[in-house]
Amino acid sequence: EVQLVQSGAEVKKPGATVKISCKVSGYTFTDYYMHWVQQAPGKGLEWMGLVDPEDGETIYAEKFQGRVTITADTSTDTAYMELSSLRSEATAVYYCAASSTISYYFDYWGQGTLVTVSS
Amino acid sequence: AIQLTQSPSSLSASVGDRVTITCRASQGITSALAWYQQKPGKAPKLLIYDASTVESGVPSRFSGSGSGTEFTLTISSLQPEDFATYYCQQFHSYPFTFGQGTRLEIK
Repeated sequence: EVQLVQSGAEVKKPGATVKISCKVSGYTFTDYYMHWVQQAPGKGLEWMGLVDPEDGETIYAEKFQGRVTITADTSTDTAYMELSSLRSEATAVYYCAASSTISYYFDYWGQGTLVTVSS
Repeated sequence: AIQLTQSPSSLSASVGDRVTITCRASQGITSALAWYQQKPGKAPKLLIYDASTVESGVPSRFSGSGSGTEFTLTISSLQPEDFATYYCQQFHSYPFTFGQGTRLEIK
């Protein structure tokens, strides 16, 4: 059974940095790209970027470029998403989601991690 | 970025109804479109990919069609567990984008 298990909820102050993890089991970690998707409260889904765990190559959405860093650790089959310079607008649920390396629809999803940014 | 516009944004329907949701792309995306179902407090679930291929395990009442700029998701006979929010997503080009969602409610 494929599982993507994310780290727990976070509360951060404005200007801080948050790092969320996504541990994979049930498939070969390097066979799928790992993406991160943001969902603000009551809002829709927004793609943030992806990492290829095979070589660490990343692609980021322009909106998040410069503030987001997505990495993959093949020794622990875990992907990470770090978001810096947090503002209140970053309050959201963040999902990791895996796609094949050929077609980038999201076969598997993590359970989501709520990040709250509040002073 | 490619914009996806779903219609309607919300929809009230009854169990047994046939429902169609439309997703229009701001430019051609061939068949690089997926549909997801999301229930409150849960992660999205893949229903359809490549515009018309039903994901394994998804009930046959769900179907997708279209190519280019216009796509549809159809639920042939609504079941109680189908009341949720539905999103389309294009994976033709970066940045990958989603429609704004269609909330399907019980009438």
